[in-house]
Amino acid sequence: GAGVSQSPSNKVTEKGKDVELRCDPISGHTALYWYRQSLGQGLEFLIYFQGNSAPDKSGLPSDRFSAERTGGSVSTLTIQRTQQEDSAVYLCASSAGGGRDAFFGQGTRLTVV
Amino acid sequence: QKEVEQNSGPLSVPEGAIASLNCTYSDRGSQSFFWYRQYSGKSPELIMFIYSNGDKEDGRFTAQLNKASQYVSLLIRDSQPSDSATYLCAVDPSEYGNKLVFGAGTILRVKS
Repeated sequence: GAGVSQSPSNKVTEKGKDVELRCDPISGHTALYWYRQSLGQGLEFLIYFQGNSAPDKSGLPSDRFSAERTGGSVSTLTIQRTQQEDSAVYLCASSAGGGRDAFFGQGTRLTVV
Repeated sequence: QKEVEQNSGPLSVPEGAIASLNCTYSDRGSQSFFWYRQYSGKSPELIMFIYSNGDKEDGRFTAQLNKASQYVSLLIRDSQPSDSATYLCAVDPSEYGNKLVFGAGTILRVKS
């Protein structure tokens, strides 16, 4: 596709359930980021993938959060045993790497009830 | 010290005025600097990038970079109510494997 695609757009889940959020980056982009944004707050960095390098997981808030990127393209962010404080918009961005600008997807709004 | 710092605002300016948004960064070796605009409920979108010291103009927007002082600014001339948004500064620090680091953003409100 022409842009970064995220699915689903909205997700409502019950507390304690696991969720998977998907990101399809721009074709050819080697860098991929996941961010979290709570209502009225700034971007919270979660994880960064760059090519075949080990991902930078320094932003993941707990071991309930994990992400993978298959074949250097699609990425999945998994949140296990969701909590109400996990409710936020999860944004994915991709970049051609090397300090180039990043392009954002439309985000997944996660609501944990 | 945060890697990228911005005043959270809100910065309020009257319509037609110049809005000045500032950002400081800690890594002196940073090479690339970006300004994103985020409307409420929307994703950030790139509006400017700058790599060299000095000014870069694009329409009503001017990005200014001063590497010696480690700051980058965004000027918006003839501000319009439609410019009301959160403006995010992003920096590519040399030590972080080219991972963009974002500031928390400055809320701009342009009043008509």
